[in-house]
Amino acid sequence: EDQVTQSPEALRLQEGESSSLNCSYTVSGLRGLFWYRQDPGKGPEFLFTLYSAGEEKEKERLKATLTKKESFLHITAPKPEDSATYLCAVRESGGGADGLTFGKGTHLIIQP
Amino acid sequence: DSGVTQTPKHLITATGQRVTLRCSPRSGDLSVYWYQQSLDQGLQFLIQYYNGEERAKGNILERFSAQQFPDLHSELNLSSLELGDSALYFCASSAPTGTPLDNEQFFGPGTRLTVL
Repeated sequence: EDQVTQSPEALRLQEGESSSLNCSYTVSGLRGLFWYRQDPGKGPEFLFTLYSAGEEKEKERLKATLTKKESFLHITAPKPEDSATYLCAVRESGGGADGLTFGKGTHLIIQP
Repeated sequence: DSGVTQTPKHLITATGQRVTLRCSPRSGDLSVYWYQQSLDQGLQFLIQYYNGEERAKGNILERFSAQQFPDLHSELNLSSLELGDSALYFCASSAPTGTPLDNEQFFGPGTRLTVL
């Protein structure tokens, strides 16, 4: 059973067309929800950490929000350079593996 | 640039062979994590080391092993390689436990392994 599910798998937008990416998660206890950006053939680049429902973080055209079951990454007036795969990951509390559990990602393309 | 370095960038080898991937964490970080990224499985956690000791294991095969040295660099050893081991291998590091931002993992540029 997937712990982290991202949707849509792929999204094509026009430059300036705002949208949201979804990340649904299932964990017994959340120690953190993370958003990363990954360009082709590169390592994931850290964007945000969210810890509790209601929390929001912003960086340039990106805003991440968190509820008890999902997180959204809102992209406002995107530019072509925002094209990338956006990955969501969770870290469970209560011991066990400290590694992140990742979703499959949303491949975002911003057309000029 | 995250500050995490990995070598080599690319590695091409044959089935049955053994390879070693190397990672140097960011300055001051004590934790090193290894991940495998394949097209069908996505990014999967393999193993974590903290200050030289194994801390956590994920979906790591018995053919794979890792270690962290006193200078904190880490090596991932992959043996009896199979075609399905072809993937991107990433190393990540995080700040010492109890320090600010100790929950964030910063990834290196990866090693692309091709098994022929």
